[in-house]
Amino acid sequence: AQSVTQPDIHITVSEGASLELRCNYSYGATPYLFWYVQSPGQGLQLLLKYFSGDTLVQGIKGFEAEFKRSQSSFNLRKPSVHWSDAAEYFCAVGYTGNQFYFGTGTSLTVIP
Amino acid sequence: KAGVTQTPRYLIKTRGQQVTLSCSPISGHRSVSWYQQTPGQGLQFLFEYFSETQRNKGNFPGRFSGRQFSNSRSEMNVSTLELGDSALYLCASSPGTENYGYTFGSGTRLTVV
Repeated sequence: AQSVTQPDIHITVSEGASLELRCNYSYGATPYLFWYVQSPGQGLQLLLKYFSGDTLVQGIKGFEAEFKRSQSSFNLRKPSVHWSDAAEYFCAVGYTGNQFYFGTGTSLTVIP
Repeated sequence: KAGVTQTPRYLIKTRGQQVTLSCSPISGHRSVSWYQQTPGQGLQFLFEYFSETQRNKGNFPGRFSGRQFSNSRSEMNVSTLELGDSALYLCASSPGTENYGYTFGSGTRLTVV
């Protein structure tokens, strides 16, 4: 069965430090891969997506993610975190027919 | 252009009642999906509609139903509400023809008392 794993439930980083959020998926073929961010009480905002081609994708707010087929991973990175990046981050995997599977999320706290 | 609009934003209902939530997708988007988000279960897929037809369905009881109108607007209905139905219900739209990813609305916070 398809699954998405975000092994880190909660991460705390200092403002200005680098960030990496992990995501692993289980699927036979290369799926569509997404990262979303959710601020408290809000819906989810799409940060970036990967369909094919260059395995390093750039997104909004200075985020990037790298698809590694051999590791079935799609980790999200940011070189320098801002206090406004504190939120919940979700990795998602999509398949044909617009059906998505979401990870359980990683909560990011940014300390000054 | 306008985003995905969900109404109402907040709702309080009593056990046993039914509720209808509304979602207006981005103009031109033909696919609308619904998700339930709870602290314990995370984001769970309810169903997806495309051109007024249910295309995918998650693992929820029959009390949860939906429909899509010819203008792509969608409604979700929950009958015989239970305390466990308290959640943030998120609607998301996409063009529908390819898996471009969703654009989410801000959600409807349903509290069942």
